[in-house]
Amino acid sequence: GDSVTQMEGPVTLSEEAFLTINCTYTATGYPSLFWYVQYPGEGLQLLLKATKADDKGSNKGFEATYRKETTSFHLEKGSVQVSDSAVYFCALKLSHQGAQKLVFGQGTRLTINP
Amino acid sequence: EAGVAQSPRYKIIEKRQSVAFWCNPISGHATLYWYQQILGQGPKLLIQFQNNGVVDDSQLPKDRFSAERLKGVDSTLKIQPAKLEDSAVYLCASSSLGPPETQYFGPGTRLLVL
Repeated sequence: GDSVTQMEGPVTLSEEAFLTINCTYTATGYPSLFWYVQYPGEGLQLLLKATKADDKGSNKGFEATYRKETTSFHLEKGSVQVSDSAVYFCALKLSHQGAQKLVFGQGTRLTINP
Repeated sequence: EAGVAQSPRYKIIEKRQSVAFWCNPISGHATLYWYQQILGQGPKLLIQFQNNGVVDDSQLPKDRFSAERLKGVDSTLKIQPAKLEDSAVYLCASSSLGPPETQYFGPGTRLLVL
């Protein structure tokens, strides 16, 4: 079945470090790919997305490129800030007979120390 | 623009009791989703409505969970009777019918079953 596998957490980095959170997927069709972020005490927010192969999503300094050949959508940021501390979820979306199902990974908790 | 509203934010009940959650989607969004997020896991889709019809309820435990969306706007999710393993955050999301069909999430209702 369709699934998303994320890098195990938690991840702890120092401020201004380079961030990579790995995400790979398994899907029968051609999914859209997403990164959602959940800040402490808040709901899920869309961070970025890509709808087809080789698309790059970007937002708030974060980037991820849809790699069909490796079925991956790794999240990267060149210089993290304390305010980036949150839980990050990779997800895929498939459309089938009108249904738009989001399938999420297990989440990666990121902590940035000053 | 107002976001997705959910209530209550927190609920504590004893096992075998009943509980109901309410969701008001973003104005004009035809599609509404309920997700269950167990601690340490990614959200899992329970049910998807399009207007007031059910599109996908394949992962809804129908022996104890029910949901309705009267008049195609607000929705309620009910658990009767609750079990310990129902302790989770229940997330509501909504999206428009046309592209890009991005799902916007509410803050969630945190349920603890004792």
